[in-house]
Amino acid sequence: AQTVTQSQPEMSVQEAETVTLSCTYDTSENNYYLFWYKQPPSRQMILVIRQEAYKQQNATENRFSVNFQKAAKSFSLKISDSQLGDTAMYFCAFVPYGGSQGNLIFGKGTKLSVKP
Amino acid sequence: DAGVIQSPRHEVTEMGQEVTLRCKPISGHDYLFWYRQTMMRGLELLIYFNNNVPIDDSGMPEDRFSAKMPNASFSTLKIQPSEPRDSAVYFCASKRRGQGGEKLFFGSGTQLSVL
Repeated sequence: AQTVTQSQPEMSVQEAETVTLSCTYDTSENNYYLFWYKQPPSRQMILVIRQEAYKQQNATENRFSVNFQKAAKSFSLKISDSQLGDTAMYFCAFVPYGGSQGNLIFGKGTKLSVKP
Repeated sequence: DAGVIQSPRHEVTEMGQEVTLRCKPISGHDYLFWYRQTMMRGLELLIYFNNNVPIDDSGMPEDRFSAKMPNASFSTLKIQPSEPRDSAVYFCASKRRGQGGEKLFFGSGTQLSVL
């Protein structure tokens, strides 16, 4: 079975500091996409960053970057220069590339609090 | 594009009543998903459609839940009869396979409270 595990239910960080959220996944697929979604208190699900498994280069989006380790099936999210607006639930997700399956598999989420 | 549109945003009902949640996916998207989010269980997939056809409904909790997609621009999730344990946020999401790297677009969700 394909699973996504986020081992940190809650984390906190001081404003302007750097924080890393962990995610591991289990799959027998070779080609897939990985995602980090953010859910602020407004509850809107917002895509933060996406990584294609066939790309060795780690994806970056402004202050957000990932450390993708395919062999270890690890996909961590690093937030630099944390801002109060980064306070949210963060979900890691996975979907195979191609084939008939279209469903994203989500982890349980990590609640991040950025403190002033 | 207006994004995925869900209605209502909030729904409060009494146990035993029928509840219908509505979703309009993004035009051109061929996949539609219904998720339920609770504190205890996180984000759970209930059912998803491809080209209006239900593909996987193994996440639907029981026969009280049903979902339809009569056309490419509309889907409903119905709970009849509703129970307090159905209280949750229900999300609809859509995507276009092979476009945007499988990016999933979410609606704003419906907060359901069953009293």
